[in-house]
Formats: sequence, structure tokens, C-alpha cells
Amino acid sequence: SQTIHQWPATLVQPVGSPLSLECTVEGTSNPNLYWYRQAAGRGLQLLFYSVGIGQISSEVPQNLSASRPQDRQFILSSKKLLLSDSGFYLCAWGRGTQTEAFFGQGTRLTVV
Amino acid sequence: AQSVSQHNHHVILSEAASLELGCNYSYGGTVNLFWYVQYPGQHLQLLLKYFSGDPLVKGIKGFEAEFIKSKFSFNLRKPSVQWSDTAEYFCSYSSASKIIFGSGTRLSIRP
Repeated sequence: SQTIHQWPATLVQPVGSPLSLECTVEGTSNPNLYWYRQAAGRGLQLLFYSVGIGQISSEVPQNLSASRPQDRQFILSSKKLLLSDSGFYLCAWGRGTQTEAFFGQGTRLTVV
Repeated sequence: AQSVSQHNHHVILSEAASLELGCNYSYGGTVNLFWYVQYPGQHLQLLLKYFSGDPLVKGIKGFEAEFIKSKFSFNLRKPSVQWSDTAEYFCSYSSASKIIFGSGTRLSIRP
């Protein structure tokens, strides 16, 4: 069966520090991978998605970037965090073009 | 831009009342439509999905949704809600590998 791992679960970082959140999927090959930010009253905002290694589509211009160095690995990064980057980040995977999303456990990021 | 709109941000119902949550999407091409539920403190889980065929889709826990192409809508319904349906509900669509969610509707059920 397929599983998705996302870490860390919680993270407190100072303003201006770098960020790296990692997500890996097991049990499937060539998944579509997604990063979302969930905020109260705003639902899940799609940040990035990837349909293959090295292929990243950015949905919202911001202080974050994403990379997919391996087939089942998706990384969310920032060079310098802002206070406004605080939030709950979710990684997800899906299959093909007709796909539902399967979510990781999420990371609660607090920038102080 | 592609988007999903959920106009009801917070719905409060009594047990046994009927439920309808609205969902409209903006994309004019082929879409696959979903409803997810997030119970307090838990992950999102899939309630139901529509790819093609019968526009009335039945999901888990007595939920159903109707796809109306002419209205770009995919409303969620349940004839009689229970206290355990208290949760946040998200409408979503996928098209060409992109998966987009609405802002969610919080459902509170009075016992």
C-alpha cells in the first residue's frame, strides 16, 4: 500500500532563517506531488505541484520554492523565512490526471 | 484563473436536519470533482468523487453530491445530519494533474 511521510510535524523558526520541509511517498512510482498551505477560512491553497522529477509548477508567487530531486521526494524550501510564512503545510500525492489527493500528516510552521 | 468557491463558510444545523453545501468551480474544461471531510484533529479524507457518468454520486456516511455541468456546481447533500458530522468540508477538483480546493465550510451540528 502507498504511504506518505512528511516531517517534521512541528517547527519553530526565527525570521530570516532557511526552511526545508521534506515529503516522501512509498509504494507507488511517478506520483504527482503537491504542497498546500492550510489556513483557517482559506481552505487549502495550492503552492506547488510536480508531475515528474525536476518538474515544478508554482501556483502562488511567494517566498517559497519547491524541488523534486527524486521520483518520490518533494521538498519545500525558503532561503529566508518571513512571519507571514507561518502556517500549516500539507504534502499530498496523486495518480495521473484523474486523481484525488492523499495527504501527509502536515507540518505546523511557526516563524518567530 | 481556476478556482473553487464554497459560499457557506459556517453552517449550523440541528440533528436530523437536511444538509446542502454549495460548491462552484470556474474551469470550463474536463474536471474531476471531489468532496473531502476533515474531522476535528484529523486528516482530510475523501467523502465522494465524480469522474463521469451518473451526475448523482453517492459517498460514504450517507453523503451524496450532484454534478450540474450547466451551473458549474457540485453541491454536497445529506438528508439527515448527525452530531458526528461536525467537521469541515472541502470541495475540490482536479484537471490535468492540478488539484484545487475551496476555502471549506465548517459544519456545526447542535445535538
